[in-house]
Amino acid sequence: DGGITQSPKYLFRKEGQNVTLSCEQNLNHDAMYWYRQDPGQGLRLIYYSQIVNDFQKGDIAEGYSVSREKKESFPLTVTSAQKNPTAFYLCASSMVGGTYEQYFGPGTRLTVT
Amino acid sequence: GESVGLHLPTLSVQEGDNSIINCAYSNSASDYFIWYKQESGKGPQFIIDIRSNMDKRQGQRVTVLLNKTVKHLSLQIAATQPGDSAVYFCAVSNTDKLIFGTGTRLQVFP
Repeated sequence: DGGITQSPKYLFRKEGQNVTLSCEQNLNHDAMYWYRQDPGQGLRLIYYSQIVNDFQKGDIAEGYSVSREKKESFPLTVTSAQKNPTAFYLCASSMVGGTYEQYFGPGTRLTVT
Repeated sequence: GESVGLHLPTLSVQEGDNSIINCAYSNSASDYFIWYKQESGKGPQFIIDIRSNMDKRQGQRVTVLLNKTVKHLSLQIAATQPGDSAVYFCAVSNTDKLIFGTGTRLQVFP
């Protein structure tokens, strides 16, 4: 089956710890994206990447970091510098260009206490 | 920068009625528009998309209308069913990414 996987579905961390969220796709897409969603809100772009070894900041990149060492993988690290990390995180992929459907993973709900 | 807004945060409809969800955008250069459905705790699912060279596109029970003059996009769902209950997002292209609206929650009652 082709698609995007995110793991884990639920993640709990203590304040002050860094945590890495996994995102893998087997759709052969060049572009990958990370979004944050807060209750009752839309999707806000954290980082995106259009090619291996390159990525760009989105609207809310502060306190987050990413890497893109492989086409299939785009992990997101939520650092201790992120002031309000508790949220639902969504990963997506698409063909390059911004004018194609983005395919979403099932999401990871991160709770930091 | 680009902004995308939805006209109503919540829409309640009776089962069997038609639903219309609206979206406004600000960038006249946007050329790709897409609607997603998101059920609670899940990732958004593609419903239908449209490019700027069209003003209407139909799918199964869904129609998207694009009015570039007033920068307005709508999603019509025919014969709304309980399974249509979800949050609906529009997204609009902005160079190399999509900008998402805040979502409309569709509630279907019997």
